[in-house]
Amino acid sequence: SQQGEEDPQALSIQEGENATMNCSYKTSINNLQWYRQNSGRGLVHLILIRSNEREKHSGRLRVTLDTSKKSSSLLITASRAADTASYFCATDTGRRALTFGSGTRLQVQP
Amino acid sequence: EPEVTQTPSHQVTQMGQEVILRCVPISNHLYFYWYRQILGQKVEFLVSFYNNEISEKSEIFDDQFSVERPDGSNFTLKIRSTKLEDSAMYFCASSAADNSNTEAFFGQGTRLTVV
Repeated sequence: SQQGEEDPQALSIQEGENATMNCSYKTSINNLQWYRQNSGRGLVHLILIRSNEREKHSGRLRVTLDTSKKSSSLLITASRAADTASYFCATDTGRRALTFGSGTRLQVQP
Repeated sequence: EPEVTQTPSHQVTQMGQEVILRCVPISNHLYFYWYRQILGQKVEFLVSFYNNEISEKSEIFDDQFSVERPDGSNFTLKIRSTKLEDSAMYFCASSAADNSNTEAFFGQGTRLTVV
């Protein structure tokens, strides 16, 4: 797989349920960032987790990072219809240029 | 809240024409970037810019592309002779100079359509 690959590619859940998205990468990283993109719109930065951190919270978001497995997960708790979007992980290998994954398309049914 | 702004939001151009995409990064940021996203594909890094020069560029950023910071606020991407395959959403981003906090803030993008 390429640097920054998310799974699943698509996820459909009911409002109120939790959504978990995973990201795997191949090379060492400085940090890993999660972004949201509404259809046809810009990228919104959600959360950054550094390579020496294992877990980070921001509101209904929880991100974990396992550098030994080169993987990260994004958990959205108590999802809302407004959370419907594509979610991307992006890795910073210390060069500042971000490498994005293919994204997970999340559909939250009201 | 400060934000990155891009203009135009949509640009249609004929193949072979030059286009300039404009961006106003967040005012106290010192690193600037261009990314592109072909419809249905990944966001791809094009170029980063720091201290008035290119700090890194990808294979996509060939001689047809150039970047400039013509004044204290604007950051532009020029494509000299557009090709059909240049059709994509182009995103500008900026980040602070602090190496411990490199989160990038993206603009809403310019959708470039080459016909």
